Amino acid sequence: GAVVSQHPSWVICKSGTSVKIECRSLDFQATTMFWYRQFPKQSLMLMATSNEGSKATYEQGVEKDKFLINHASLTLSTLTVTSAHPEDSSFYICSATRQGESEAFFGQGTRLTVV
Amino acid sequence: DAKTTQPPSMDCAEGRAANLPCNHSTISGNEYVYWYRQIHSQGPQYIIHGLKNNETNEMASLIITEDRKSSTLILPHATLRDTAVYYCIVYRNTGRRALTFGSGTRLQVQP
Repeated sequence: GAVVSQHPSWVICKSGTSVKIECRSLDFQATTMFWYRQFPKQSLMLMATSNEGSKATYEQGVEKDKFLINHASLTLSTLTVTSAHPEDSSFYICSATRQGESEAFFGQGTRLTVV
Repeated sequence: DAKTTQPPSMDCAEGRAANLPCNHSTISGNEYVYWYRQIHSQGPQYIIHGLKNNETNEMASLIITEDRKSSTLILPHATLRDTAVYYCIVYRNTGRRALTFGSGTRLQVQP
């Protein structure tokens, strides 16, 4: 099946700094990618839809100025958590669907810890 | 997308079949039933999907009732590596819409 890769798998950063997470579709082009967040013992919550060449669409309650999404190519979307705080510590997951196919493929996730 | 209802947790003995139920009584005609699983600290993994016919692949079988209001995911010979949270999602795929995850069923395979 298609492969979606995230980098880094885990990151620890200091409060107030920014962190960039990359999501790559390795063997297909993805015009649309999705970013989710998952807190411990909870389900995945959609944060935003990343569209290649245009602005991302954010879910209600997600601050677009805090979670910057860039989808500059058909194989790469990035999520930057700006001025991170401990409450931003979470598991961030991206997904993409290959054109013409129905199943979504997920990255392995990025565990962010803000100290 | 239609709402789904799954039991919060289930146990299964290693080597036995694991049958995970899902209710989706408000499913509409163009919505598919998808199953994903999430092993601890990993991204979700696609298992199988179907519209109205039963489906089988190398991982599992999907049985959908005739009225499509419920379905069962069957892992024919569960192993310890199948311990995970299993999500049943009803979805009309356009490739540009995200999946909506419920709380899923936590399957614990016991040795």
